Amino acid sequence: QVQLVESGGGLVKPGGSLRLSCAASGFTFSDFYMSWIRQTPGKGLEWVSYISGGGTSLYYADSVKGRFTISRDNAKNSVYLQMNSLRAEDTAMYYCARAFYGDYIAYWGQGTLVTVSS
Amino acid sequence: QSVLTQPPSVSGAPGQRVTISCTGSSSSIGAGYDVHWYQQLPGTAPKLLIYGNNNRPSGVPDRFSGSKSGTSASLAITGLQAEDEADYYCLSYDNSLSGRVFGGGTKLTVL
Repeated sequence: QVQLVESGGGLVKPGGSLRLSCAASGFTFSDFYMSWIRQTPGKGLEWVSYISGGGTSLYYADSVKGRFTISRDNAKNSVYLQMNSLRAEDTAMYYCARAFYGDYIAYWGQGTLVTVSS
Repeated sequence: QSVLTQPPSVSGAPGQRVTISCTGSSSSIGAGYDVHWYQQLPGTAPKLLIYGNNNRPSGVPDRFSGSKSGTSASLAITGLQAEDEADYYCLSYDNSLSGRVFGGGTKLTVL
């Protein structure tokens, strides 16, 4: 069955950096778009970024463009989110997700919490 | 404020039918983009409930159904059960934002 396990969340100061990782199993990883979705109590769900199976098609929400970078390693069945210049408003639960192209999320991980605070 | 508007809460008694609306605009649902629905049980990640307006993934009971008309979409739940108590979110595309957007979510309470 599809399994997505996130890691790398934690407490970071404003302006700091964090790298989230997601280990996938149960499917042919390189065949699928992968995404990061975040959720906050105040702003709800936000599709942060996605990357195509071969890594050539990328999407970033305007709120993170220029600060976050998504990447993947198909040999390791893993997807990453490098988050730089973090702000308080980036505080959220971050979910790794398998997407049907860039259309919708079919499977979600359990999430990793990122807190940006001084 | 999300570009897809959902009622903050709905409620119903066991066995009843409830609907949750998702209202967009001419740049989102009204432009013909598909709507997808998610269920989030307390303390868990969202789960895909409906994709492509009215399709259920395997394992989702046929008590759940989706529809779309004009600039809005709806999720209907029939034969309401206590285990249906959760938050529900719609998802679609908005071409004025050039991105996928979620609705603000609706909390379903089973009385």
